[in-house]
Amino acid sequence: KAGVTQTPRYLIKTRGQQVTLSCSPISGHRSVSWYQQTPGQGLQFLFEYFSETQRNKGNFPGRFSGRQFSNSRSEMNVSTLELGDSALYLCASSIQGDYGYTFGSGTRLTVV
Amino acid sequence: GEDVEQSLFLSVREGDSSVINCTYTDSSSTYLYWYKQEPGAGLQLLTYIFSNMDMKQDQRLTVLLNKKDKHLSLRIADTQTGDSAIYFCAESLMGSQGNLIFGKGTKLSVKP
Repeated sequence: KAGVTQTPRYLIKTRGQQVTLSCSPISGHRSVSWYQQTPGQGLQFLFEYFSETQRNKGNFPGRFSGRQFSNSRSEMNVSTLELGDSALYLCASSIQGDYGYTFGSGTRLTVV
Repeated sequence: GEDVEQSLFLSVREGDSSVINCTYTDSSSTYLYWYKQEPGAGLQLLTYIFSNMDMKQDQRLTVLLNKKDKHLSLRIADTQTGDSAIYFCAESLMGSQGNLIFGKGTKLSVKP
């Protein structure tokens, strides 16, 4: 079966711009989580969506937002980009959001 | 608070066994995971274990869980050069949907 698909793979943006990342979960998976990976902070949880509702949220500023559509696809938006937002953004899907998370290949965002 | 600790580096010879260790602090862990990350790639789920299990074996991989000591280990038998990667330990907590707490990762180097 198809895995978790993230688009685009790479992005270069300028400070102050905004960006939208997309994640298509494994068919039948209704939970989508987002993570930021940086060399300094490691993997940090951003938020989780299930049935179009945000159920859980990490400690990130309000510039980071997300949504989930009725087909379980999810998007993540970062507004007013800062240099420190440069990172690999990973999404993970699972059936219910309680175990067995499968990750996508990530979107590498570079802010210049 | 929640914390997952791993040693940063491990070097082994091809054909030897590798053992990667992890400790965690939260008693409400439900599942514990091992993920593998190769350069430039996302996270590959290797295996996971329910918190009331002691051991799980899957081909060359053996996971041991000591719940009393909050210690998790991953043993890779007959380690190959293709096993060179960063290995992340992670835990999920009861009631915290979609949120995996990750360690900083152990970089495994396999020498021929």
